[in-house]
Amino acid sequence: GDSVTQMEGPVTLSEEAFLTINCTYTATGYPSLFWYVQYPGEGLQLLLKATKADDKGSNKGFEATYRKETTSFHLEKGSVQVSDSAVYFCALPQVDTGRRALTFGSGTRLQVQP
Amino acid sequence: NAGVTQTPKFRVLKTGQSMTLLCAQDMNHEYMYWYRQDPGMGLRLIHYSVGEGTTAKGEVPDGYNVSRLKKQNFLLGLESAAPSQTSVYFCATSSGSTDTQYFGPGTRLTVL
Repeated sequence: GDSVTQMEGPVTLSEEAFLTINCTYTATGYPSLFWYVQYPGEGLQLLLKATKADDKGSNKGFEATYRKETTSFHLEKGSVQVSDSAVYFCALPQVDTGRRALTFGSGTRLQVQP
Repeated sequence: NAGVTQTPKFRVLKTGQSMTLLCAQDMNHEYMYWYRQDPGMGLRLIHYSVGEGTTAKGEVPDGYNVSRLKKQNFLLGLESAAPSQTSVYFCATSSGSTDTQYFGPGTRLTVL
């Protein structure tokens, strides 16, 4: 079935460092791909999405490019801030089950130190 | 607009007790979902609804029941709570025209 694999965390960076969080997927066809962010004690918020192959999603300085050749959707940010400390989830729709729900990766915790 | 709200925020139950979690939305979305979040496992779908009066099972439905009597509300029930149901529960909604989902703030449930 459709699935998402994320790099294990935690990822610990200093402020202004470059961030990459890897995400690869297995899917039927070319579904939309998502990154959600969860700040401490809160629910998940949509960070960015890409709806078709080669699209680039971007928001708040974060970017991710939908690469069908490598079945990847890696999240990047050029200069992280302490306020970016959160858990990041890669996700895709459950097209194979027809549920219109999302399949999530296990999440990657980012800790940014001043 | 409140978006998606969940009640209660926290709850502690003893094994065998029952409770109902309420999800309410003012986004006029057709689709509603219940997920549970456990450490290292991401979110897993419990039940979902594609419209008022409809419900369907997700990946981990055992021990839970749901109802969607009104479009804006989606209830998750635990008839006889077990320690394995200790988790954080999230409700989400989507319009159905896109796959984007909008999440509530979560309910942290502990079953002793």
